[in-house]
Amino acid sequence: DIQMTQSPSSLSASVGDRVTITCRASQSISTYLNWYQQKPGKGPKLLIYAASSLQSGVPSRFSGSGSGTDFSLTISSLQGEDFATYYCQQTFTTPPTFGGGTKVEIK
Amino acid sequence: EVQLLESGGGLVQPGGSLRLSCAASGFTFSIYAMIWVRQAPGKGLEWVSTISGSSGSTNYADSVKGRFTVSRDNSKNTLYLQMNSLRAEDTAVYYCAKDRDNTVVTYFDYWGQGTLVTVSS
Repeated sequence: DIQMTQSPSSLSASVGDRVTITCRASQSISTYLNWYQQKPGKGPKLLIYAASSLQSGVPSRFSGSGSGTDFSLTISSLQGEDFATYYCQQTFTTPPTFGGGTKVEIK
Repeated sequence: EVQLLESGGGLVQPGGSLRLSCAASGFTFSIYAMIWVRQAPGKGLEWVSTISGSSGSTNYADSVKGRFTVSRDNSKNTLYLQMNSLRAEDTAVYYCAKDRDNTVVTYFDYWGQGTLVTVSS
């Protein structure tokens, strides 16, 4: 199975900050990388698919980049509703695997 | 509006069985692969199973293979997960999700709110 490693596992930031979360795959996955946001008690929400494509309805302050083994999710200006846990996921091979998550908390 | 509503969770003893359902609406259910993903309390996301739009293809995580069976009724727009021989480590919130494609896992563009399964004596 392909292992997905996210860093950091948690971070504290303020509204307006630029935040970057990284995700590394244990082998090359081309751009078969997706990002999800999850808030407490809710199902995950798709933010970015195919490494850099913004899902419809997702604010443009979210962006994704990378290919191969190294990827990142950037929030250009953190808003109050962005405090949540973020997961990367590879769908290059079965089983699709998720990173361990990054919890973004209020500083 | 796409909606996915899971049901069927609850408390079950080790070795017991449970069937989860996911009622879908707001899209043409039969042409999309559907997925089950679970999340143990305080933990991350774990893919459980995928079924293609036509039910012709299914896949399972090694951790549930031989114990869980995924199925769908396209006439009822409903996805199912039959869980047998349940173990304590199956305790989790179970989410159903819709894939963007029919047969190949691409990305999960809609998710339900989840249903909690607790395996305990």
